[in-house]
Amino acid sequence: ELKVEQNPLFLSMQEGKNYTIYCNYSTTSDRLYWYRQDPGKSLESLFVLLSNGAVKQEGRLMASLDTKARLSTLHITAAVHDLSATYFCASPSNFGNEKLTFGTGTRLTIIP
Amino acid sequence: KAGVTQTPRYLIKTRGQQVTLSCSPISGHRSVSWYQQTPGQGLQFLFEYFSETQRNKGNFPGRFSGRQFSNSRSEMNVSTLELGDSALYLCASSLVAGPPYEQYFGPGTRLTVT
Repeated sequence: ELKVEQNPLFLSMQEGKNYTIYCNYSTTSDRLYWYRQDPGKSLESLFVLLSNGAVKQEGRLMASLDTKARLSTLHITAAVHDLSATYFCASPSNFGNEKLTFGTGTRLTIIP
Repeated sequence: KAGVTQTPRYLIKTRGQQVTLSCSPISGHRSVSWYQQTPGQGLQFLFEYFSETQRNKGNFPGRFSGRQFSNSRSEMNVSTLELGDSALYLCASSLVAGPPYEQYFGPGTRLTVT
């Protein structure tokens, strides 16, 4: 059974600090997705990582993928309050199909 | 380009009833996937449709079913509702044909079963 594990589950950070969310998965897929969800809202796509070594950055967020280690990271730089949300990573079960298995999510709270 | 739309957005039903949820994908997208989100189980895959055919199915009982129409719009149906079916139901559409293989999520339908 495919497993996608995220840690930490909860993260409380001060503004201006850096931190990393980790996502371990058990498939052999070379794709990994990161999503953001605000309370009561749907999922917003943040990053699509398509190959080993892929690195993508958007503002204060940077995601990377190591398919050999089956590990993806989401790094937050100089956190600001509006980054408070729940972040999910997701892995496809097999290359080419659209069934995603999601991690448990990391609830991030940025404290002023 | 219009995003994924889902109707209704909110629904309250009674145990034992059935419910139908609708999803219209982004224009040109032929794959529609459905997910259930609950506080206890998180986000779980229900099923995926492509060209009116169910290609993948998650581990849900037969009370959960779906279909896709020729215009790629999809519906999911839950019969004999149980309290545990209360959840946010999300649908996602994707092109499938090539990179970035991204799934775009709709706003969701929040179902409450009383």
